[in-house]
Amino acid sequence: DQQVKQNSPSLSVQEGRISILNCDYTNSMFDYFLWYKKYPAEGPTFLISISSIKDKNEDGRFTVFLNKSAKHLSLHIVPSQPGDSAVYFCAASGDSNYQLIWGAGTKLIIKP
Amino acid sequence: GAGVSQSPSNKVTEKGKDVELRCDPISGHTALYWYRQSLGQGLEFLIYFQGNSAPDKSGLPSDRFSAERTGGSVSTLTIQRTQQEDSAVYLCASSRDYNEKLFFGSGTQLSVL
Repeated sequence: DQQVKQNSPSLSVQEGRISILNCDYTNSMFDYFLWYKKYPAEGPTFLISISSIKDKNEDGRFTVFLNKSAKHLSLHIVPSQPGDSAVYFCAASGDSNYQLIWGAGTKLIIKP
Repeated sequence: GAGVSQSPSNKVTEKGKDVELRCDPISGHTALYWYRQSLGQGLEFLIYFQGNSAPDKSGLPSDRFSAERTGGSVSTLTIQRTQQEDSAVYLCASSRDYNEKLFFGSGTQLSVL
């Protein structure tokens, strides 16, 4: 059973517009959520995180929203840039980082 | 080096052979993780090392898989008698401590023919 789901395998967005990547989870014990970004032939790199005590965390063009009642989080990128084209992974954990549960990823394509 | 280094970057092997994958974590990072990513799937946790503590091996899929970390630094993941379903990208990550963000290597693409 997939505890963390990214239902969109890919997403195409025009440069300059907002990109919204979604992630759903089933385990109500998850209290820490992260987004990682992965370019081809490279390992994932940390992008942004949010703790369950918050419902929003912002870092520059990237904002993560958490809706605990819906067990849903989303990553907003605005404005989208060509360098944002990558695979984005959502991950969640309970009380320890090493038990991160990962989604399958969403491939974001930014069109010029 | 400044980042996590993995070798080889690509490995093609025949079914039934043993393979060893190597990971050099960032210097000073006490925590080291191995993950596996099969095609179209998320990252699957394999094993976790923290300092001198006994590793958490709960993610290893079978007893053909083993890993060690020598001197609290370099780690090797060994897969014995490889099977075709072992084909995947094997990713290593390290962090300063267990609850800090992970830094990943570029991975080893393993193909079992």
